[in-house]
Amino acid sequence: QQQVKQSPQSLIVQKGGISIINCAYENTAFDYFPWYQQFPGKGPALLIAIRPDVSEKKEGRFTISFNKSAKQFSLHIMDSQPGDSATYFCAASTLSAGAQKLVFGQGTRLTINP
Amino acid sequence: GAGVSQSPRYKVAKRGQDVALRCDPISGHVSLFWYQQALGQGPEFLTYFQNEAQLDKSGLPSDRFFAERPEGSVSTLKIQRTQQEDSAVYLCASTYRWGPGGELFFGEGSRLTVL
Repeated sequence: QQQVKQSPQSLIVQKGGISIINCAYENTAFDYFPWYQQFPGKGPALLIAIRPDVSEKKEGRFTISFNKSAKQFSLHIMDSQPGDSATYFCAASTLSAGAQKLVFGQGTRLTINP
Repeated sequence: GAGVSQSPRYKVAKRGQDVALRCDPISGHVSLFWYQQALGQGPEFLTYFQNEAQLDKSGLPSDRFFAERPEGSVSTLKIQRTQQEDSAVYLCASTYRWGPGGELFFGEGSRLTVL
């Protein structure tokens, strides 16, 4: 079953613009919400993460907004750059057998036009 | 130090062959995960080790899939009698921390193509 739904599937943004990717989840037991960035031929790399006790987290140009009641969270990339062109995955997890087992969204292919 | 290392990076197998994929986690990382990533999709959990103990194998798609980590370091994912639907990138990830909040570090993956 699809526990984390991500949209859009692909996104094109002009350099300097704001990129916004959205995710929705179903399992209210999720307690950790990371975003991963993946370049072609590489493994995913952690970009930024949030826990449900805060509504927003900012790290440089990247911001996560979290809406617990709506069970939604989003990634905003400010001043988007061509180097940000990659596939982005949201994820959610809860502790299972002592591990933070991640459930990933389907991914968003982001292209930043120069 | 080095990141998570996976080998082979690319593997082509004929249907019915057995394959073995290796993962060298970051030194000292106690937790190790295997994920399967189909083309154009997000990674899906396969199995998890804490040191040498396999604590969760709920994501393994069939009994043809087997994973081990006998000494709590290097792990091997074995797929027996490969089928075309096994074609995917197999990602290994490790973290230094057992429990909440540990960042997962992923390898570059092993791309398996079954003909």
